[in-house]
Amino acid sequence: DAMVIQNPRYQVTQFGKPVTLSCSQTLNHNVMYWYQQKSSQAPKLLFHYYDKDFNNEADTPDNFQSRRPNTSFCFLDIRSPGLGDAAMYLCATSRDLGGSGNYEKLFFGSGTQLSVL
Amino acid sequence: GQSLEQPSEVTAVEGAIVQINCTYQTSGFYGLSWYQQHDGGAPTFLSYNALDGLEETGRFSSFLSRSDSYGYLLLQELQMKDSASYFCAVRDNRDDKIIFGKGTRLHILP
Repeated sequence: DAMVIQNPRYQVTQFGKPVTLSCSQTLNHNVMYWYQQKSSQAPKLLFHYYDKDFNNEADTPDNFQSRRPNTSFCFLDIRSPGLGDAAMYLCATSRDLGGSGNYEKLFFGSGTQLSVL
Repeated sequence: GQSLEQPSEVTAVEGAIVQINCTYQTSGFYGLSWYQQHDGGAPTFLSYNALDGLEETGRFSSFLSRSDSYGYLLLQELQMKDSASYFCAVRDNRDDKIIFGKGTRLHILP
């Protein structure tokens, strides 16, 4: 089945130790998102790609970076994780077909729960 | 900018009907989406309304009034498995990002 896959499901890192989260998709969707979600809060958008165009949210810390080497893969790099970066990181995709609602239908991966020790 | 308001919590009884409201303020508007998220899980898409009126999908329905900048999600014949958080979402017309409301936690009592 076509899907969005995030690895690993759980990631533990040390304070200040760089970590990379990965996301892959077999849906051939042109839009990819990274959201951060803390307990009992809404998903907060960090970045999104529309095709190769990268969009960085104004309030996304410089500590966070992203790469999308091709349509199928996207990475989230946290250069120096702090305790406040412990959260669920969600990757999502959608496809802009120009019709109503296609773009707004996001498909999420199962997320990576990041712990910072 | 965009903002969405929804109640933080709603409680209902199994088998009953519950409505979760969402009001939005946007500089441009395409439509309103709804997502369900169970504890520890990822959000899953429920519905999308671009036009005024009610859209029904099984036990779930979603309504939109563009003139009132208001929508709601209606859940009928509630089941315990419907206990989850529900988010409304809109598309920002400046850079096409999808932003979420703060979510409504639905508690279902037996």
